Amino acid sequence: DAKTTQPPSMDCAEGRAANLPCNHSTISGNEYVYWYRQIHSQGPQYIIHGLKNNETNEMASLIITEDRKSSTLILPHATLRDTAVYYCIVRARSGGGADGLTFGKGTHLIIQP
Amino acid sequence: DTEVTQTPKHLVMGMTNKKSLKCEQHMGHRAMYWYKQKAKKPPELMFVYSYEKLSINESVPSRFSPECPNSSLLNLHLHALQPEDSALYLCASSQVGLKNIQYFGAGTRLSVL
Repeated sequence: DAKTTQPPSMDCAEGRAANLPCNHSTISGNEYVYWYRQIHSQGPQYIIHGLKNNETNEMASLIITEDRKSSTLILPHATLRDTAVYYCIVRARSGGGADGLTFGKGTHLIIQP
Repeated sequence: DTEVTQTPKHLVMGMTNKKSLKCEQHMGHRAMYWYKQKAKKPPELMFVYSYEKLSINESVPSRFSPECPNSSLLNLHLHALQPEDSALYLCASSQVGLKNIQYFGAGTRLSVL
């Protein structure tokens, strides 16, 4: 799996959009970008994933650059409950099996009131 | 229902004790995982079960013994642990194959005295 680089921490004001960057310059053609978050004292939670097109769901949007070497997770209207560690993970989709996730250090996002 | 249930939530054990952690899911997932998370560190994969068979063991010491008695249950048997094994133990489940989105439980916080 490709290595990812994320800032260790970020602040965002409540109600504003939170933009979390991830660098994955060694990503290969069959690898997807996944985002998970971990709120304090809870298990990680899946947010979104994508291959090359931008994706949006009820939680967030994922913007992947055209060269696929970086991506940005966007939380459109951050709330205090979005304070968490956000993990960007690059991995190939499993063919016929099951693979574990390799977590990096992630970004600690702090939403300020 | 996207819930993965782990019991107990907290566990304190001595180095000579034998204990078990339990994990249960009813989403019909045929892949289940154990992760270990030390304080202020990201989760690390320990074991993967696919169709109730152990498919990945990340060189985990034998004092940790996983068991998957059926497709809904995953156990982690603990014996002769060391204080450095104190951590949050996370269980996850997913479909097997292409859509490998993992759903995590809240974890068991283990303290070894």
